[in-house]
Amino acid sequence: QVQLVQSGAEVKRPGASVKVSCKASGYSFTTHAIHWVRQTPGQRLEWMGWISVENGNTKYSERFQGRVTITRDTSATTAYMEVINLTSEDTAVYYCARENYDFWSGSVTFDFWGQGTLVTVSS
Amino acid sequence: DIVMTQSPLSLSVSPGEPAFISCRSNQSLLHTNLYNHLDWYLQKPGQSPQLLIFLGSDRASGVPERISGSGSGTDFTLKISRVEAGDVGIYYCMQALRTPYTFGQGTKLEIK
Repeated sequence: QVQLVQSGAEVKRPGASVKVSCKASGYSFTTHAIHWVRQTPGQRLEWMGWISVENGNTKYSERFQGRVTITRDTSATTAYMEVINLTSEDTAVYYCARENYDFWSGSVTFDFWGQGTLVTVSS
Repeated sequence: DIVMTQSPLSLSVSPGEPAFISCRSNQSLLHTNLYNHLDWYLQKPGQSPQLLIFLGSDRASGVPERISGSGSGTDFTLKISRVEAGDVGIYYCMQALRTPYTFGQGTKLEIK
C-alpha cells in the first residue's frame, strides 16, 4: 500500500534551518510529484511548493521563495523539504503529499499524505 | 494568488441532518477545458487531510454517495446529505487551477 512516512518532530531556534524527509513506499516513486503543505497553529493550510520526482524540477510559492528548497533522492525514494532562516511564524505541521495528475482533465489532487512533522521554532 | 473563502467556519449538525459548506474564489476556477479545478479535503481529528471531491463534483475513491460537491466558476458547495458521527473534522476547499494552490480557511463540523 502507498505510504509516505515523514521524519520526527523538530525544535529549532530562530535563524536556524530544518530539513524534513518524506519516505515513499508502495508505488513507483518517479511517477508522481510530491508537494509540501504546512498547517499553521490556527489550522490554516498553506501550499509551499512541489517537485517533479522524475526530473527534479521544482516550483515554490512566492511566499517561500528563497527560503525553501525541495529535493529528492530517487535511490532512497525520499523527498526532502528544507526551510532556512526560521522564525516563530514557521511553527507549523509540515506535510508531504503525493500528487495524482490526470492528463485528460488536468486535475491535480493530493491522494496520499504523510503523517505530518511538527516544527517548533522557539528561543 | 487566488483567494478562497469558506462559510460557515463552524457547523454543528444533528446526526441524520444535512450539512452544507460554501466555498468561493475570487477568480473563476473554470479551466478552458471546461473542468472546475476545485477540490475538497477532510481532516479528521488527529489525522492528515484526505481527498473527498475533485474537479468540483467527482468523488474520490471510497467516498460515500451522501457526500457530494457542486458548483462552477467561483461558487461551490459541499453537501453531506445525512451527517454521521464519522464526518466530524475540518473541511477545506482548495483551488488546483494554478499555483500557488490555495485553501479556504476550513470549516469545522461537529455533531450535536
